[in-house]
Amino acid sequence: QVQLQESGPGLVKPSETLSLTCSVSGSSINNYYWSWIRQPPGKGLEWIGHIYDSGTTNYNPSLKSRVTISLDTSKKHCSLKLSSVTAADTAVYYCAREGYYDSSGYYFSGTFDYWGRGTLVTVSS
Amino acid sequence: DIVMTQSPDSLAVSLGERATINCKSSQSVSDSSNNKNSLGWYQQKLGQPPKLLIYWASTREYGVPDRFSASGSGTDFTLTINGLQAEDVAVYYCQQYYNTPWTFGQGTNVEI
Repeated sequence: QVQLQESGPGLVKPSETLSLTCSVSGSSINNYYWSWIRQPPGKGLEWIGHIYDSGTTNYNPSLKSRVTISLDTSKKHCSLKLSSVTAADTAVYYCAREGYYDSSGYYFSGTFDYWGRGTLVTVSS
Repeated sequence: DIVMTQSPDSLAVSLGERATINCKSSQSVSDSSNNKNSLGWYQQKLGQPPKLLIYWASTREYGVPDRFSASGSGTDFTLTINGLQAEDVAVYYCQQYYNTPWTFGQGTNVEI
């Protein structure tokens, strides 16, 4: 059973760096994209970016200058760092496994089939 | 970025009736390389992460009840819930995965 678990501080001060880790179990961390998605309280979903096991990353341009996503395949962890946070970064942060393999073994990225429960990060002094 | 716009924002449906949610993309999400539309639908219940219901605009994810169906092509898509049940109360999101950044609609709140 695939399980993802986000962890990290629930409170971050303005201008500091938000750091979260996603622990993956029940799935290979290789050969998939791993995404971070956030949801401000009472609002919709925003894709932050993703990483492949090769280290290839792709970030949302709206956050690109402040985001770093990394992967530790030995620990089966995916990490998110978001720098210079403000109150607008207050949100539930989700990690999600992205994509799937079809019957021919072809990989399609872009959909999210497994999600963590999410962790609320509040930016406040 | 591709902007996804859902309508309506909120929808109240009687138990057993049909709920219809629309999603429009600011540009076509039809992939000519595989003749598929890169559009997914998610269900998010209160306090839970989203759950993938539909991908490629009309393919149900494994285990999703067949009362959920979806259709559409190009820029206009629809999610239909036939015979609404109490457990279907949720916010529903469409999402395009044609181009990064992947983007979501603003959500449609379905209530009884």
